Amino acid sequence: GAVVSQHPSWVICKSGTSVKIECRSLDFQATTMFWYRQFPKQSLMLMATSNEGSKATYEQGVEKDKFLINHASLTLSTLTVTSAHPEDSSFYICGIYRGETQYFGPGTRLLVL
Amino acid sequence: AQTVTQSQPEMSVQEAETVTLSCTYDTSESDYYLFWYKQPPSRQMILVIRQEAYKQQNATENRFSVNFQKAAKSFSLKISDSQLGDAAMYFCAYLMAGTASKLTFGTGTRLQVTL
Repeated sequence: GAVVSQHPSWVICKSGTSVKIECRSLDFQATTMFWYRQFPKQSLMLMATSNEGSKATYEQGVEKDKFLINHASLTLSTLTVTSAHPEDSSFYICGIYRGETQYFGPGTRLLVL
Repeated sequence: AQTVTQSQPEMSVQEAETVTLSCTYDTSESDYYLFWYKQPPSRQMILVIRQEAYKQQNATENRFSVNFQKAAKSFSLKISDSQLGDAAMYFCAYLMAGTASKLTFGTGTRLQVTL
């Protein structure tokens, strides 16, 4: 398998501020990481695929200037929600690709007031 | 494009009994992987079982097994001797082989385990 951590697990912020979420691959050098968003009682929605050292590939409808993704090392990818608004409140999950399988972090709950 | 369908939004099973969750998918690829993930109330996505499409033998992990029917594009999950800890949302997912491609998820099945 693979061990993936996310930080923070929980964040509350004011509208208009930016929030950074970290995703770390603890036991594997992950070339490819994924960022998902999940609304209550729904499936995971892929936001973007990040590859170490290159620009992320965003899914259709995801604002790349709002959701900034940086994958500067093989063990760390970050998602920054810029100028957050209440509609950005959600559960964000990262995943890593290893051995033709995806493994997931524990997720980050974001609440924008 | 690939699609994954889970037609059972909710299922219920008594403790110690067996339950089967259904999943069908559509793809034109011949080489791919199928997964069942469990999402308990903590919302951590946990890999339950993985099936390689080119392997005819059904995957098994302890109390969890699958019935993989490639021609019918069906991939059901059987949970034997159900336990209270099995209560969770279960997602079926598809991954095209050969690249770090994205997972295609089904809409999920919520499993309730009763005493």
